[in-house]
Amino acid sequence: EVQLVESGGGLVQPGGSLRLSCAASGFTFSSYAMSWVRQAPGKGLEWVSTISGSSGGSTYYSDSVKGRFTISRDNSKNTLYLQMNSLRADDTAVYYCAKGFHAVLSGSFDYWGQGTLVTVSS
Amino acid sequence: SSELTQDPAVSVALGQTVRITCQGDRLRNYYGSWYQQKPGQAPVLVIYGKNKRPSGIPDRFSGSSSGNTASLTITGAQAEDEAAYYCNSRDSGDNPHVVFGGGTKLTVL
Repeated sequence: EVQLVESGGGLVQPGGSLRLSCAASGFTFSSYAMSWVRQAPGKGLEWVSTISGSSGGSTYYSDSVKGRFTISRDNSKNTLYLQMNSLRADDTAVYYCAKGFHAVLSGSFDYWGQGTLVTVSS
Repeated sequence: SSELTQDPAVSVALGQTVRITCQGDRLRNYYGSWYQQKPGQAPVLVIYGKNKRPSGIPDRFSGSSSGNTASLTITGAQAEDEAAYYCNSRDSGDNPHVVFGGGTKLTVL
């Protein structure tokens, strides 16, 4: 059974940093692209970032987080990360980890975690 | 604003058929995917590719595409289908990325 479990969310002040983790199990983690998708309170889904499978040599970011967030993966630990720096109030959201269908960027995510809440506030 | 456009809300009578649409230029080149999200829950993929359903998704859910529009059809809507539905797709070019539509809240009457 595929499982994705996010952790690392919490309350952080504007300008602060946070690192999210997503522990994966039930599939060959290294073979698939992995993504982060967020949802602000009461709002829709917003794609944040994707990292390719295998060596994870390719990374992609939305314009809203480029230069502030860094996606990475540790295939030996079956874990996906999102390092978030220079956080702003509009980064407040539930952050979901999502599995892609292939090793490369695609628009389809077949499994999602339950999400972790990030609140940016003073 | 989203590069994929969805109607904010749609309603359907129990047992009837409803179509939810998603418009955007990227859909001319890439298939859209559809996700169902119920309050307090993570999204669930219901349609991807050319009308493919993941295991466990009822066959009353189907997808189609024409030009710049992707559609999700629920044939014989059930009370448990009441949820928000999001489309998404990818793009290529110099800055490959993924985009979601704004979502459609489906009410089953």
